[in-house]
Amino acid sequence: QVQLQESGPGLVKPSETLSLMCTISGGSVSIGTYHWSWIRQPPGKGLEWIAYLSWSGATNYNPSLKSRLTVSVDTSDNQFSLKMTSVTAADTAVYFCARGYSSDGGRLHFDFWSQGTLVTVSS
Amino acid sequence: DIVMTQSPDSLAVSLGEGATINCKSSRSLLYSAKNKNLLAWYQQKPGQPPKLLIYWASIRESGVPDRFSGSGSGTDFTLTISSLQAEDVAVYYCQQYADLPLTFGPGTKVEIK
Repeated sequence: QVQLQESGPGLVKPSETLSLMCTISGGSVSIGTYHWSWIRQPPGKGLEWIAYLSWSGATNYNPSLKSRLTVSVDTSDNQFSLKMTSVTAADTAVYFCARGYSSDGGRLHFDFWSQGTLVTVSS
Repeated sequence: DIVMTQSPDSLAVSLGEGATINCKSSRSLLYSAKNKNLLAWYQQKPGQPPKLLIYWASIRESGVPDRFSGSGSGTDFTLTISSLQAEDVAVYYCQQYADLPLTFGPGTKVEIK
């Protein structure tokens, strides 16, 4: 059974960089069928896909956030990460990492999710 | 971007009764290369991550009770709960994966009447 666990600070100051790591257990980041994603949910609101990456390092970002994002994979540690620069209060959300099953390329539905971590942007 | 809408925003159903949630996309989700509709349904309970219920519009994920079913094609899709149980109280989201960026519907809250 695949499990995903994110880690990172729960409080980030405005204009600083949000950094999160997702550790995968019970499965390998290197299986080509899957792409690894970040998804967020502002408190009381809906879901927003942020980005995905494959084990080979191929990435795709939500255009609404792209200029501030970097995602990367560490196959040796079975982890992938998210960095979001210049955060504002609007970036306050629960951040999930998730495994995306690929129907074809980036056409992903998500079959395993982390529990989620609340990141608050505040001074 | 493909815009996803859901109706109703919320619904209250008696235990044992059926519930129907609708999801509409701004463009067709039929992926011709595989002849599949790229639409998924998720269930999210308070304080929990979303749980995949249905993918390819009508395929039930392993372990999901058969009272959950998905149907539809093109731009109009439906999630049906045939006999509502207490543990089905949740918010339900649809998600399209026919095109990037991947997008979700706004959610439908299901409660017990």
